[in-house]
Amino acid sequence: EDKVVQSPLSLVVHEGDTVTLNCSYEVTNFRSLLWYKQEKKAPTFLFMLTSSGIEKKSGRLSSILDKKELFSILNITATQTGDSAVYLCAVEAAGNTPLVFGKGTRLSVIA
Amino acid sequence: NAGVMQNPRHLVRRRGQEARLRCSPMKGHSHVYWYRQLPEEGLKFMVYLQKENIIDESGMPKERFSAEFPKEGPSILRIQQVVRGDSAAYFCASSPRVGADSPLHFGNGTRLTVT
Repeated sequence: EDKVVQSPLSLVVHEGDTVTLNCSYEVTNFRSLLWYKQEKKAPTFLFMLTSSGIEKKSGRLSSILDKKELFSILNITATQTGDSAVYLCAVEAAGNTPLVFGKGTRLSVIA
Repeated sequence: NAGVMQNPRHLVRRRGQEARLRCSPMKGHSHVYWYRQLPEEGLKFMVYLQKENIIDESGMPKERFSAEFPKEGPSILRIQQVVRGDSAAYFCASSPRVGADSPLHFGNGTRLTVT
């Protein structure tokens, strides 16, 4: 059975800190790994990773995938209170298979 | 271009009633996925549909739950004879096609509360 494990489950940091969120996975016929940010409503798409070692970057957020060790990290530098959210990691297998999500990491950034 | 639209945003039902949740995918998207989220939990897959076809319903309970995506109109997730354990946020997502270059786009969800 495909599985996604995220750590830590929750994290509290101060504004300006840098955080690293972890996602490990087990999936048959891996296609891609995705990161989403969920505040109070819809999960919003952040990154899709398909190749090892290539960093994807968007502003203060970046992510990288290691297909050999089966994990990904999401980095957020110079955190702001607006980064407070649940960050969800999901994996997609080849074929018509749905995304499998981890339980998420709840990040709280305090001023 | 409107995003994925779900309604209602909040739904309160008494035990034993029926709940109908609606999802209109993004324009041009023909694949719809329903996920359920319990408090402090991730998103759990329920069902995947294309127009007029159920592709994968492996995550949906065998009883009381059904889903459809007709040729015209929104996708409907129907829960009959609701119980307290059905209380959750139900999210719909859509994509234009299956493939590594088409991430799912989610709606704002319907929060179902069963009293």
